[in-house]
Amino acid sequence: DQQVKQNSPSLSVQEGRISILNCDYTNSMFDYFLWYKKYPAEGPTFLISISSIKDKNEDGRFTVFLNKSAKHLSLHIVPSQPGDSAVYFCAGTFGNEKLTFGTGTRLTIIP
Amino acid sequence: GAVVSQHPSRVICKSGTSVKIECRSLDFQATTMFWYRQFPKQSLMLMATSNEGSKATYEQGVEKDKFLINHASLTLSTLTVTSAHPEDSSFYICSVGGGVAKNIQYFGAGTRLSVL
Repeated sequence: DQQVKQNSPSLSVQEGRISILNCDYTNSMFDYFLWYKKYPAEGPTFLISISSIKDKNEDGRFTVFLNKSAKHLSLHIVPSQPGDSAVYFCAGTFGNEKLTFGTGTRLTIIP
Repeated sequence: GAVVSQHPSRVICKSGTSVKIECRSLDFQATTMFWYRQFPKQSLMLMATSNEGSKATYEQGVEKDKFLINHASLTLSTLTVTSAHPEDSSFYICSVGGGVAKNIQYFGAGTRLSVL
């Protein structure tokens, strides 16, 4: 039962343009969502998060949007930079800190 | 965020041997640590939640006698893969949670285990 889904395994974006990564979830108990960035052979790095009581959170070039009725969240990166090339995971959690991760989206920024 | 050190970064071992992986929280006392496993091109799957001073909580399908977890102090948790077999070859990652930002977990760099 995949509770968190990232339906696009890969995405290529031109440098300077906007990258939009999508994530869908099925567990309505989730009350907090996170995005992590991961390079090969390294642990995930925390990027940005959002509480279920909000619909938007912004941090520099990164903005996360949450649509609770659609059980959908997205990460916007603008402008995209070559260093943003990595695998991005979204994750949901509730109460007990246990994270449930999506399958990841590999983002490639084309110079 | 928290600084998490994981050691070793890579280990190659023979089938049947045991391997210990250490996870250290360097800048705060972690009552809870988490152990994940990631197979190639797949998601991170939670194996167990390590609680300081008590038994670990294992996820469904994870053999607790094969993956021994010890969380003896607030800064150290260890995962021992006992009698490793080739199918245990994977990327193991620990994380620390429960800090000031309660829902955010900070990850170690991971351990690549290859069982021959």
